[in-house]
Amino acid sequence: ETGVTQTPRHLVMGMTNKKSLKCEQHLGHNAMYWYKQSAKKPLELMFVYNFKEQTENNSVPSRFSPECPNSSHLFLHLHTLQPEDSALYLCASSRGEFGEKNIQYFGAGTRLSVL
Amino acid sequence: AQSVTQLGSHVSVSEGALVLLRCNYSSSVPPYLFWYVQYPNQGLQLLLKYTSAATLVKGINGFEAEFKKSETSFHLTKPSAHMSDAAEYFCAVSHSYNTDKLIFGTGTRLQVFP
Repeated sequence: ETGVTQTPRHLVMGMTNKKSLKCEQHLGHNAMYWYKQSAKKPLELMFVYNFKEQTENNSVPSRFSPECPNSSHLFLHLHTLQPEDSALYLCASSRGEFGEKNIQYFGAGTRLSVL
Repeated sequence: AQSVTQLGSHVSVSEGALVLLRCNYSSSVPPYLFWYVQYPNQGLQLLLKYTSAATLVKGINGFEAEFKKSETSFHLTKPSAHMSDAAEYFCAVSHSYNTDKLIFGTGTRLQVFP
């Protein structure tokens, strides 16, 4: 098992669809993150969960809804997206403990295309 | 506020040549600095990190980076490029070891020619 696994790897959806991205980490970490990676732009941190509790929401539109049922799983629920939401969505995890939060391990990402 | 600037969105080198990828940071406090690599169709992998210990940091795959406070730089180097080094490289900064927030640069794509 790789450390951080994301499914699906590719997703095409219409603007009226509802879909979910899944992330699973096998590293025993306590913190999980969603990032958006768009062409020519820096990675944007979207959400942070520590010990299943959301601790950061960087002004992300409500059409993105995260869910963290336990420390190993993280979901990103999508609905009524816009074409500008097309991007690579990366999940990451860290130990989440004092002194280890900024050492993050990334999954391979989900390439999302919104038509 | 912190920021990272990566000079050059594309760098091309010949196999066996020196690799130099530039990163300059802005931070009001002593920074923690990172280099990540992203191979095609993969996530980001940590290459190396600077956490206020030695200014010359050695990472994986023969890469190293030197923290220069006077120049606010953290450039990534490798003495001899290999074809397998072709990837996108990201510099990132955080203001503390106890923060989740990493500020990333826009990345530099490295091409290696035979």
